[in-house]
Amino acid sequence: QSVLTQPPSVSAAPGQKVTISCSGSSSNIGNYYVSWYQQLPGTAPKLLIYDNNERPSGIPDRFSGSKSGTSATLGITGLQTGDEADYYCGAWDGGLSGVVFGGGTKLTVL
Amino acid sequence: EVQLVESGGGLVKPGGSLRLSCAASGFTFSNYNMNWVRQAPGKGLEWVSSISSSGSYINYRDSVKGRFSISRDNAKNSLFLQLDSLRAEDTAVYYCARLYSYGYYFDYWGQGTLVTVSS
Repeated sequence: QSVLTQPPSVSAAPGQKVTISCSGSSSNIGNYYVSWYQQLPGTAPKLLIYDNNERPSGIPDRFSGSKSGTSATLGITGLQTGDEADYYCGAWDGGLSGVVFGGGTKLTVL
Repeated sequence: EVQLVESGGGLVKPGGSLRLSCAASGFTFSNYNMNWVRQAPGKGLEWVSSISSSGSYINYRDSVKGRFSISRDNAKNSLFLQLDSLRAEDTAVYYCARLYSYGYYFDYWGQGTLVTVSS
């Protein structure tokens, strides 16, 4: 059971938009920045969003993040087949003194 | 270019031990908090352990406390994880990851090394 809660799967057609939610508590999301990671099949995770809504260099602006209270959302617009991956949210947890993750959301681009 | 390269994984019997290594390059290793994150087959990401830049502060998830030991050698740009008293549930790909401490996010990850605990 993951500390952060994500939907197991989402799907949408190419060119469309999708959002992935991530729910936590005051111990983590409520008081710390949220990050998002993309894991393409058979590869290591890659940082997608940090500090709630910042994109690392090289990440297209089709990817966006937001946070409100103890929840966060990843948005992906202009979906491409290459976006099919598992997406994880993460945040520091002050009670556990470590980073906690969501269970991951599998994105299918139909 | 930042690179993190793990090694040391393999097949081990329950109760056995392994020592994982992570060779870092492309950045000033001694300036960063380093972590191990694992992923069981078909499962999600799970933080395992962290060590501060100097090695003074160390933390573990509860399920590995007393069995795993994290360490680092800043002179050799290397991170280690000693895994003892291994259990079947420790079977996973173990990733070395650099933590950006101000935002508590992992900005670089290694390719991972597979640890399989089975008789």
